[in-house]
Amino acid sequence: NAGVTQTPKFQVLKTGQSMTLQCAQDMNHNSMYWYRQDPGMGLRLIYYSASEGTTDKGEVPNGYNVSRLNKREFSLRLESAAPSQTSVYFCASSPGTGFEYTQYFGPGTRLTVL
Amino acid sequence: DAKTTQPNSMESNEEEPVHLPCNHSTISGTDYIHWYRQLPSQGPEYVIHGLTSNVNNRMASLAIAEDRKSSTLILHRATLRDAAVYYCILRRRSGSARQLTFGSGTQLTVLP
Repeated sequence: NAGVTQTPKFQVLKTGQSMTLQCAQDMNHNSMYWYRQDPGMGLRLIYYSASEGTTDKGEVPNGYNVSRLNKREFSLRLESAAPSQTSVYFCASSPGTGFEYTQYFGPGTRLTVL
Repeated sequence: DAKTTQPNSMESNEEEPVHLPCNHSTISGTDYIHWYRQLPSQGPEYVIHGLTSNVNNRMASLAIAEDRKSSTLILHRATLRDAAVYYCILRRRSGSARQLTFGSGTQLTVLP
């Protein structure tokens, strides 16, 4: 039982390049999330998927797109990377989106945009 | 949304108890108090949560003030592995509490 896995662990991009961050969970959770964490700050929600087939914007969605490929997988795409998107990206999952549900986080992807 | 205030950093000696405070003076009656922690170079992990009564689990205890304007996370015997940033988060019962709103947290250093 791996929990939440993310690939890649590290990535360096040049400004304007595109890439997709992959996330998968094996806990049969309905809801999945993408957060970013900038140095010295807490996490901020980019997008989330309450259930398979649905996605919604979070606090900081600009410059990103997401795809809920199936119940297990939720990807985050940067179409044209910018230095402001240098950050650590965390994927999380939970049984549902309600207050009572614990969110389980992956190990993160460290992205640098030059 | 109600906000939380935590000290930026705290130190503890190994195998001693640690009390991590959190102020949430504007908490509403439907807000649950959650604690997560983030070990170095890892994603956050759930620690404990509660509403009004004190709560215990295998990781920690949560003491909630009678007026709910503050709470304290208690680690009974700190180990080196407990060195992390601890986040106190309010989650509203009503509506969709889809995101966890992280503040800057408390950096706990455990001294051997």
